[in-house]
Amino acid sequence: DQQVKQNSPSLSVQEGRISILNCDYTNSMFDYFLWYKKYPAEGPTFLISISSIKDKNEDGRFTVFLNKSAKHLSLHIVPSQPGDSAVYFCAATQAGNMLTFGGGTRLMVKP
Amino acid sequence: GAGVSQSPRYKVAKRGQDVALRCDPISGHVSLFWYQQALGQGPEFLTYFQNEAQLDKSGLPSDRFFAERPEGSVSTLKIQRTQQEDSAVYLCASSTEGVPTYEQYFGPGTRLTVT
Repeated sequence: DQQVKQNSPSLSVQEGRISILNCDYTNSMFDYFLWYKKYPAEGPTFLISISSIKDKNEDGRFTVFLNKSAKHLSLHIVPSQPGDSAVYFCAATQAGNMLTFGGGTRLMVKP
Repeated sequence: GAGVSQSPRYKVAKRGQDVALRCDPISGHVSLFWYQQALGQGPEFLTYFQNEAQLDKSGLPSDRFFAERPEGSVSTLKIQRTQQEDSAVYLCASSTEGVPTYEQYFGPGTRLTVT
């Protein structure tokens, strides 16, 4: 069974607007969550993370929100820029062991 | 500083051949992970090393897959008697001891195509 799911395979937004990428998980033992960004022919690049003891973490234009009761996290990008166009993966881990990834969301930011 | 490097970047193998994929982690990183990424999917865990010890190999899909990290730095993922379903991108990641963050840093991957 898929323990981490990204239900939207793609998302298109206008430059300058907000991008919201969503992720759901089923394993309540996950205690740390991460977002990665991936360009074609490159490995995933770490973007932002959040511990399960927090509900929000912000880094510049990127904010991650965690709703533990709903087992849901989201990544907000404000304002969106064309260079943000990539595939975004959410991932979860328990005590720093292996990462369990979602299937990815392709974000397209239109100029 | 230098990131995680992997070689070769691309590998074409005929079905039945053996392949060896190399990963050079970030210097000083204790933990090393291998993942397999099929087209259009997220990476899936294969195996995990802490220094030279292989602590988890639960994700290896068959006994044709073997990984080692003999000196606690460079790692090699070997696939014997390759089959078409082994075609994927193989990603290596490294990280420091976890607390309080668990970020893993990925290499560019090796794209394996089995014909």
